[in-house]
Amino acid sequence: GENVEQHPSTLSVQEGDSAVIKCTYSDSASNYFPWYKQELGKGPQLIIDIRSNVGEKKDQRIAVTLNKTAKHFSLHITETQPEDSAVYFCAASLNFGNEKLTFGTGTRLTIIP
Amino acid sequence: GAVVSQHPSRVICKSGTSVKIECRSLDFQATTMFWYRQFPKKSLMLMATSNEGSKATYEQGVEKDKFLINHASLTLSTLTVTSAHPEDSSFYICSARDRGRALEQYFGPGTRLTVT
Repeated sequence: GENVEQHPSTLSVQEGDSAVIKCTYSDSASNYFPWYKQELGKGPQLIIDIRSNVGEKKDQRIAVTLNKTAKHFSLHITETQPEDSAVYFCAASLNFGNEKLTFGTGTRLTIIP
Repeated sequence: GAVVSQHPSRVICKSGTSVKIECRSLDFQATTMFWYRQFPKKSLMLMATSNEGSKATYEQGVEKDKFLINHASLTLSTLTVTSAHPEDSSFYICSARDRGRALEQYFGPGTRLTVT
């Protein structure tokens, strides 16, 4: 089955700086890659996703890049703000009806004011 | 849009009792719902996938007789933890896949179960 690795496990950045979180996946057939933000005591919130026919996607301060050849994808957050502090999870799945998500191990991002 | 609710948000029960957790998609129809379990500072572990009107598919190692899942309608799935024990204490989260948007999963806020 699919295996998703995520790095780093913790990340601290100064407010206003950029943060980058990286994930690798093992199944070359995977073609849907969402990113979730989870705040303490809450469920994960979908913040951005990318499909394998696209190399990059951007939504305001958040962007995701995908390298299918190398089987890795990354989350980029620019101009970080204190409210960006949370745990971020990457995931991967196949592009079929009920395919489940395989999650990375999470990155705890702390924005230092 | 794409709001998923869970009830209750917190529940404390005694060993040996059963607890039911509800997961509802509020503004969309969910053909598929997923149930996850999350331990402190850990990732999400998929327990089972449920499709409306059919039996749930459980992940390896998850006891289907202990974690009963019912997906009675396109907006409601329930997870019942039967004969709960302290080791069942965890954060349970559901997600739902929008019928009209095939890939995205939207998560509920989670239910904190404590078994004493």
